[in-house]
Amino acid sequence: KNEVEQSPQNLTAQEGEFITINCSYSVGISALHWLQQHPGGGIVSLFMLSSGKKKHGRLIATINIQEKHSSLHITASHPRDSAVYICAVSTGNQFYFGTGTSLTVIP
Amino acid sequence: NAGVTQTPKFRILKIGQSMTLQCAQDMNHNYMYWYRQDPGMGLKLIYYSVGAGITDKGEVPNGYNVSRSTTEDFPLRLELAAPSQTSVYFCASSRRRQGSPGGDTQYFGPGTRLTVL
Repeated sequence: KNEVEQSPQNLTAQEGEFITINCSYSVGISALHWLQQHPGGGIVSLFMLSSGKKKHGRLIATINIQEKHSSLHITASHPRDSAVYICAVSTGNQFYFGTGTSLTVIP
Repeated sequence: NAGVTQTPKFRILKIGQSMTLQCAQDMNHNYMYWYRQDPGMGLKLIYYSVGAGITDKGEVPNGYNVSRSTTEDFPLRLELAAPSQTSVYFCASSRRRQGSPGGDTQYFGPGTRLTVL
């Protein structure tokens, strides 16, 4: 069983749509991270959360510690948002990753 | 700042050959990490280091070795390459320990795509 599960695995949206990606985890964590992996392979950290909600531009990340669940929302999606979004959790010195959600935004 | 740099970008090895993947960061981060990413799988931690001279195993360390003689550099060594080591390797660094309250942002290198034939 994976420590981190993401859904959906693949997502196609029309430009302008509101998008939600979900992440559930099964271990005690010190923080949850959302990462973006570009088509070229580079990985960028988007958010780090230990509680509540964070917003950066059109991206919003929330976490519910009691339910061990986090969501990443993208408002007014754009083709340049097309990427793989990865949820990861940190616990002790370990770092566990989900398998990612591949998002394609069609113009 | 260059951030986290990795060399080479691509490499093809024959079974049994050895090589070193280089990783360097110029952000004066204490913590550095090596991950591998296989198709359809999440990233897996191979080794990590909490500072110069200190390294420890991650989830999938077999077949690899690391060293950390300076804060900046964290090379990953493959001694006897096997097809199972075909993967994309990412190096990352962070200022604070991941398990510390609130964790810390990781900065990733561009990756090395390794094929073992």
